[in-house]
Amino acid sequence: DSGVTQTPKHLITATGQRVTLRCSPRSGDLSVYWYQQSLDQGLQFLIQYYNGEERAKGNILERFSAQQFPDLHSELNLSSLELGDSALYFCASSVVGGPGEQYFGPGTRLTVT
Amino acid sequence: KNEVEQSPQNLTAQEGEFITINCSYSVGISALHWLQQHPGGGIVSLFMLSSGKKKHGRLIATINIQEKHSSLHITASHPRDSAVYICAVSHHNTDKLIFGTGTRLQVFP
Repeated sequence: DSGVTQTPKHLITATGQRVTLRCSPRSGDLSVYWYQQSLDQGLQFLIQYYNGEERAKGNILERFSAQQFPDLHSELNLSSLELGDSALYFCASSVVGGPGEQYFGPGTRLTVT
Repeated sequence: KNEVEQSPQNLTAQEGEFITINCSYSVGISALHWLQQHPGGGIVSLFMLSSGKKKHGRLIATINIQEKHSSLHITASHPRDSAVYICAVSHHNTDKLIFGTGTRLQVFP
């Protein structure tokens, strides 16, 4: 158990819908990262927050947005969902703002039908 | 060409064999990570290294910064080592991880 929690574990929804994925980092970790793992693209970095502020952005679509709240939990919002958004979404946390060991949550499996 | 390349893509071994997985990268990095992903999907960080060598139990990771190459070794492999092993690099002074495509390892009794 990494200490990082993600909810829900599974999510099935229809095209065009909007969903919110939630992540709680390990106690004391200030950085939260979001990753997408799809069959055709592998693991890709989406976005990072550090102590409430956006720190780095990767291949995140405009239909996706994220935020980190004062209690350090983070939410990833996916809207206007398409079939291709079906994937495993991981969050990870680390203590530091710079390069450091990251602890991964169990992931949320999103299926868009 | 991917910025992080792993080989082999698939690896089959008999229990007890010594295993090596290779990772090459083409970008400037501040650290390299080895991750393990089990069939259930969960990802565990095995190592983070920026120079030299690290060892945890039967796992050894090495990195050669000049050659932009890292290896993950598993000694005395066991069926419970069956998983996907993923190499990832922290892009130069950022937290952004760039991932390799993974090596699927199966160890048979």
